[in-house]
Amino acid sequence: DAGITQSPRHKVTETGTPVTLRCHQTENHRYMYWYRQDPGHGLRLIHYSYGVKDTDKGEVSDGYSVSRSKTEDFLLTLESATSSQTSVYFCAISESWDRGNTGELFFGEGSRLTVL
Amino acid sequence: DQQVKQNSPSLSVQEGRISILNCDYTNSMFDYFLWYKKYPAEGPTFLISISSIKDKNEDGRFTVFLNKSAKHLSLHIVPSQPGDSAVYFCAAFIIQGAQKLVFGQGTRLTINP
Repeated sequence: DAGITQSPRHKVTETGTPVTLRCHQTENHRYMYWYRQDPGHGLRLIHYSYGVKDTDKGEVSDGYSVSRSKTEDFLLTLESATSSQTSVYFCAISESWDRGNTGELFFGEGSRLTVL
Repeated sequence: DQQVKQNSPSLSVQEGRISILNCDYTNSMFDYFLWYKKYPAEGPTFLISISSIKDKNEDGRFTVFLNKSAKHLSLHIVPSQPGDSAVYFCAAFIIQGAQKLVFGQGTRLTINP
């Protein structure tokens, strides 16, 4: 199994509070991603990173920010959590396509966030 | 704009029979198509992929078919086993640029004994 650890695995918080989810990898992969999974929507990309301090928005980035100060860590922050951000969040990693990657991502086990 | 669509939220198949999961896409620029499998309380895991220049790829009980003219792909599982019960996500990938994987909504497959 790819070395990906997400923390916390479960969190309940109140509307308006800040929340940070952490993804840690031991594979030294270049790309890191944050997805959210919601019924009827599948997996939707929030933000991704293609290197240290290099990040970009995905399709559902509003209300989220990310940071990557080290290769192994990718943080997802909800500055002021809302009930619509209740979801399961998945971190994923991948190598570059020029190293043979053809789209295969390795996912963490997920972080379930409930915003009351 | 949903670039990858799985129009069947669920599918129920008898053990030993063939399971066919379908996926449609709109962007003709996709280079690879992938299927992921997800069990409850776990992250998705890669199952099988196909290049856009091929029309079939097989791996054991799993075969993916690609019809570029129809912008359609399907995953065949033969024979279906109880352990195949999971949510299956179709995904598509463009090599150039941002290297983002676009997922469909998922299909929940249930294999009945």
